[in-house]
Amino acid sequence: GAVVSQHPSWVICKSGTSVKIECRSLDFQATTMFWYRQFPKQSLMLMATSNEGSKATYEQGVEKDKFLINHASLTLSTLTVTSAHPEDSSFYICSANKSPGRINYGYTFGSGTRLTVV
Amino acid sequence: DQQVKQNSPSLSVQEGRISILNCDYTNSMFDYFLWYKKYPAEGPTFLISISSIKDKNEDGRFTVFLNKSAKHLSLHIVPSQPGDSAVYFCAAQGGSEKLVFGKGTKLTVNP
Repeated sequence: GAVVSQHPSWVICKSGTSVKIECRSLDFQATTMFWYRQFPKQSLMLMATSNEGSKATYEQGVEKDKFLINHASLTLSTLTVTSAHPEDSSFYICSANKSPGRINYGYTFGSGTRLTVV
Repeated sequence: DQQVKQNSPSLSVQEGRISILNCDYTNSMFDYFLWYKKYPAEGPTFLISISSIKDKNEDGRFTVFLNKSAKHLSLHIVPSQPGDSAVYFCAAQGGSEKLVFGKGTKLTVNP
């Protein structure tokens, strides 16, 4: 099966600091990974599409300078929340598709990262 | 503007009975639909999917029905088990690899 590992599972940081979240595809290569954010009792909102070897594609309303995405290899994408503020506290989840293309059989999601900014 | 809607935030059923979770969508470009199950503090796990060229897909206790004219799909779980208690997300795809999620329905199966 396709496994996506996300680290850390939770992190508490001080306001103004930066936090890096890693997303790894363990048994497959992913040219594209996706980063989502979920607020309590809300849906998963796509933040950006991470493309290996090129710039990420951000959704409307997502600040690219605040949420830095790096996809340096076919198995690793990172999301860095820069100068974090309490309103950035959320559950961040990454996903990857083992079979890229429009016809797919389900993306695999990481276990998520609970970020709390104090 | 929410393109995928799950209007019931919660559903409670008795063990052994049928659970029916509903999902409506507005974008006629969507041509692939997926259901995910999510436990607290975990990522979603894929359950079942359906292409818009079909109206039904079955996998064990899980069946998804699609009514394209009504832009409506539903997930049936029968028989329901306590371990099915989780949040279920409906997701849609069309024209790209992006998935659009609903807000989820929290299912509670009582023993």
